[in-house]
Amino acid sequence: AQTVTQSQPEMSVQEAETVTLSCTYDTSESDYYLFWYKQPPSRQMILVIRQEAYKQQNATENRFSVNFQKAAKSFSLKISDSQLGDAAMYFCAYRRNSGNTPLVFGKGTRLSVIA
Amino acid sequence: NAGVTQTPKFQVLKTGQSMTLQCAQDMNHEYMSWYRQDPGMGLRLIHYSVGAGITDQGEVPNGYNVSRSTTEDFPLRLLSAAPSQTSVYFCASRETSGRRNTQYFGPGTRLTVL
Repeated sequence: AQTVTQSQPEMSVQEAETVTLSCTYDTSESDYYLFWYKQPPSRQMILVIRQEAYKQQNATENRFSVNFQKAAKSFSLKISDSQLGDAAMYFCAYRRNSGNTPLVFGKGTRLSVIA
Repeated sequence: NAGVTQTPKFQVLKTGQSMTLQCAQDMNHEYMSWYRQDPGMGLRLIHYSVGAGITDQGEVPNGYNVSRSTTEDFPLRLLSAAPSQTSVYFCASRETSGRRNTQYFGPGTRLTVL
């Protein structure tokens, strides 16, 4: 079974600084997706960024970027110019590329942003 | 466009009571799923469905029942609530075809079982 590991239960960053959240995963598949979701205090799950495993180029979305290391099975999230609104739980997730497979989540990292 | 809706937002039950958490989506998605979120545990899959009439178990199915009679609706039933089922429940949906099949989540239901 696929597993997703987030080794940092909590992280903090100064406003305007950069922070990197770690994620590793275990799979024998070659075609899959990886995601980072943000969950603010409102509880809503918000997709931050996604990466398709067959694409070597790292995905970016404005201040959010990933470092995807397929051989190492690592998928870290970098948040640049951190803002107070970035404070949230962040979940890393994996899904094999098949129509019926579920999304598997890590346990999450709580990010605090210090003004 | 409402996306994925869940009702109720909050619920308090007594041990042994039954209830149904409602989930609906208006995006014509074939795939729907239920997760529970507990502190320090992330989101764990309870049940999922790949279309009307088809359901399957996830990681933590015990104590929960589902059915899928329409594409739009995917209710989650607790037949006899237990304190261990105190959690936040999320419903989600997505397409099953194509590569850009993003999963959309409902706003969640916070359930407390006394």
